[in-house]
Amino acid sequence: QKEVEQNSGPLSVPEGAIASLNCTYSDRGSQSFFWYRQYSGKSPELIMSIYSNGDKEDGRFTAQLNKASQYVSLLIRDSQPSDSATYLCAVEDTGRRALTFGSGTRLQVQP
Amino acid sequence: NAGVMQNPRHLVRRRGQEARLRCSPMKGHSHVYWYRQLPEEGLKFMVYLQKENIIDESGMPKERFSAEFPKEGPSILRIQQVVRGDSAAYFCASSPTATNYGYTFGSGTRLTVV
Repeated sequence: QKEVEQNSGPLSVPEGAIASLNCTYSDRGSQSFFWYRQYSGKSPELIMSIYSNGDKEDGRFTAQLNKASQYVSLLIRDSQPSDSATYLCAVEDTGRRALTFGSGTRLQVQP
Repeated sequence: NAGVMQNPRHLVRRRGQEARLRCSPMKGHSHVYWYRQLPEEGLKFMVYLQKENIIDESGMPKERFSAEFPKEGPSILRIQQVVRGDSAAYFCASSPTATNYGYTFGSGTRLTVV
C-alpha cells in the first residue's frame, strides 16, 4: 500500500509569517510531486509541482523535494489569512496512472 | 476556455437508488480521472479513462460502481444501489496527456445518501 503522510494540523501561524508544510511518501520510484490547496467545500486547486531534487519557487510559494529522504515540503512566505485552507500533498503512483494523496494539513493564518 | 465541468453539484439519493455523476473534461483533454473524498480524508483514486476505454479501474469498488467515457458526451460515474457509505465528494479531473499529473479538478459532486 503506497502511502503519503501529512500532519493533519491545524498548523496555526500569524499573518506575515512563514508556514512550513511537510509530507513524506513511501513509493521510492515516484518522480512527480504536487501540492494542492483546498478551501472548505471546494475542489482541490493545483498550486505547485516539483520533479527534481531541490527548491522550486513560484511567488510566495516554495516547494522542496528530497528524493533520498522521501519528503516534500511547501513553504508559504508572508502568509495571509486567505491562505487558510487544507493543503494536500500528492505523489505519482508509479504502479498506475494516478496520484496518491495525503489526508492534508489544515493551515490557519491568524490576522 | 471552460474548465472541467461536473454535474450535478449536489445529489441526494435514498438507499438503494442509483446515482449518475457526469464530467466533461477541459477542451482538448482526452484523459479523465475520478477521485472520491470521504469526509475529513484525502482524495482516493477510483478510475482513469480515455475516450471509449477504461485504462485503470483499480481504485473502483468491485461491485455497484462503473464508469464510462463514450466517444460523444461526458464521462459518467454510476453507482448502483447506493448505501450510506457512498456519501462523499466525487471529483473528476482531466489532463491533455497520459503523463501529465498536474490535474485540473472539476468542482465536484457531493453525494448524500439518506
